[in-house]
Amino acid sequence: ETGVTQTPRHLVMGMTNKKSLKCEQHLGHNAMYWYKQSAKKPLELMFVYNFKEQTENNSVPSRFSPECPNSSHLFLHLHTLQPEDSALYLCASSQPGTGDTEAFFGQGTRLTVV
Amino acid sequence: SQQGEEDPQALSIQEGENATMNCSYKTSINNLQWYRQNSGRGLVHLILIRSNEREKHSGRLRVTLDTSKKSSSLLITASRAADTASYFCATDGKAAGNKLTFGGGTRVLVKP
Repeated sequence: ETGVTQTPRHLVMGMTNKKSLKCEQHLGHNAMYWYKQSAKKPLELMFVYNFKEQTENNSVPSRFSPECPNSSHLFLHLHTLQPEDSALYLCASSQPGTGDTEAFFGQGTRLTVV
Repeated sequence: SQQGEEDPQALSIQEGENATMNCSYKTSINNLQWYRQNSGRGLVHLILIRSNEREKHSGRLRVTLDTSKKSSSLLITASRAADTASYFCATDGKAAGNKLTFGGGTRVLVKP
């Protein structure tokens, strides 16, 4: 266990559904990240939160909406997704400002859009 | 193209053999990290090497860094079937806003 927990582990949703992915860490980290991992593609950074403030949005479509209510929790709200959004969504956390940006990852949510 | 690019994309070896994979990057870095991912799971941090270091060891892992060539290598010695996984390098540098940028990974299969 890395200390980062993601739920659910698997999710199948229709294109008209609304769902949310949850990430929780109790490592005391102040930075949290959402990554998308598609087959045969490098890990894509989606969003970065530092001290609950969004500091990065890598041109992610608005059908993905992140929320960070506190430094320990991160959500990714999904609505009207497309089949090409099917992927493994990974959450990570790290402690910025320490010089070593080791990231701790959750186990991921395998999302299938039908 | 990606900041970190691994080579080869896939590697198949027998148990007990060594596995070597390489990572090249384009811009200056603060550090370079290697991660491991079992199929469909999250990434696990293996080792970090700073830009002023040339070699680092951790158990059966040996990492080298050549900043003049902008490249790093990961060597797994005496491989085991349990080492079967994908291995990713990630760079942390000012050009990327001090965020980790991952390469496409090397898929390693260790046959028993």
